[in-house]
Amino acid sequence: DVKVTQSSRYLVKRTGEKVFLECVQDMDHENMFWYRQDPGLGLRLIYFSYDVKMKEKGDIPEGYSVSREKKERFSLILESASTNQTSMYLCASSLIMSGRGSNQPQHFGDGTRLSIL
Amino acid sequence: GESVGLHLPTLSVQEGDNSIINCAYSNSASDYFIWYKQESGKGPQFIIDIRSNMDKRQGQRVTVLLNKTVKHLSLQIAATQPGDSAVYFCAENIAGANSKLTFGKGITLSVRP
Repeated sequence: DVKVTQSSRYLVKRTGEKVFLECVQDMDHENMFWYRQDPGLGLRLIYFSYDVKMKEKGDIPEGYSVSREKKERFSLILESASTNQTSMYLCASSLIMSGRGSNQPQHFGDGTRLSIL
Repeated sequence: GESVGLHLPTLSVQEGDNSIINCAYSNSASDYFIWYKQESGKGPQFIIDIRSNMDKRQGQRVTVLLNKTVKHLSLQIAATQPGDSAVYFCAENIAGANSKLTFGKGITLSVRP
């Protein structure tokens, strides 16, 4: 089974702090993703990475950055936390396979519930 | 804490009945679809997927149906159990979108004992 592990289940930080959320996957997946999930808004993509040191902006990258120094680890960084970044953060990974019809599902961690005070 | 299921439409079914959860997807260029289940306090869990060259796929107690003509996806759960209570949402991959998924808002399934 795919295992995606997020380092913290709950985190409380203060406005203006630099916050690091860590995610590790054990299935040698090339793709990794960071989402936030808010009631009524569903899952929104913040950033994703398809290889080490590669990253692409998702739909809501403002206020966030990411780091992928190793294949198995993808970090989300809140440069200066604000109260509107209070949310559930979900990490996911998926395999890349070449060719048409080769899509693979994303597998998720259990999330980090982040509160910014 | 606040539930991910807050503000979502709810489907209530009797234990033992079959459940049908529907999803209208947005893009006719989508070629891959997934159903996820999310229980309270957990991340989304993969249930079943289907590619656009199919119209039906079956798993254990679940069936996914795809109607490309009307851009409609459904998840059927046979003999619904209390453990099936969760938020369910569909996701679509638009061809060429580099493995990115677009997620539906979700539906809460509530199983009555």
